[in-house]
Amino acid sequence: GQQLNQSPQSMFIQEGEDVSMNCTSSSIFNTWLWYKQDPGEGPVLLIALYKAGELTSNGRLTAQFGITRKDSFLNISASIPSDVGIYFCAGHPGSGNTGKLIFGQGTTLQVKP
Amino acid sequence: DAGVIQSPRHEVTEMGQEVTLRCKPISGHDYLFWYRQTMMRGLELLIYFNNNVPIDDSGMPEDRFSAKMPNASFSTLKIQPSEPRDSAVYFCASSLALTSGFTDTQYFGPGTRLTVL
Repeated sequence: GQQLNQSPQSMFIQEGEDVSMNCTSSSIFNTWLWYKQDPGEGPVLLIALYKAGELTSNGRLTAQFGITRKDSFLNISASIPSDVGIYFCAGHPGSGNTGKLIFGQGTTLQVKP
Repeated sequence: DAGVIQSPRHEVTEMGQEVTLRCKPISGHDYLFWYRQTMMRGLELLIYFNNNVPIDDSGMPEDRFSAKMPNASFSTLKIQPSEPRDSAVYFCASSLALTSGFTDTQYFGPGTRLTVL
């Protein structure tokens, strides 16, 4: 079935550093979404991307929908301790809309104060 | 809006017992999704509904799992009989169908942490 490959699997960084993570697929996606999950909570939407090439920012977060429609990245600038959590990419596959989201495996981010 | 509501937040039961998880989606949302999350397998889609009708249940692991959506504001996921390997966090999510035919982003509930002893 369709899969999203998310990397890196985990990151341990110093507060103030920038972070970059990405997602790739072998097939086309219509939308790309980035979620964050805090411990003990459900994933919360950070950024949604709907067009190839789209670059969207949300505060210190920036995400892009790859021009090939097969990848996306998320950048976090000047990380702070509350950025800790698991970040998931997700997308709607291009082969018609079934309502179903495909999720990446997640990137666990730890920030050292 | 109150968001997606799930109950209970935590459930501890013994192997062989029946477990029922409950979900109230965001009012007006057309789609409802049930996910399971474990360390080993990550976030897995179990089943999803559109306008109360099950669309894809290919992720339901076994016949021991069943899900219902009797109306637009309520869904249940039942495990009978439960087994230790069912221990996981179960999330419910809902979304709105856009006029373009694509669904909007999914909004997740806080999850139910299930432990089967």
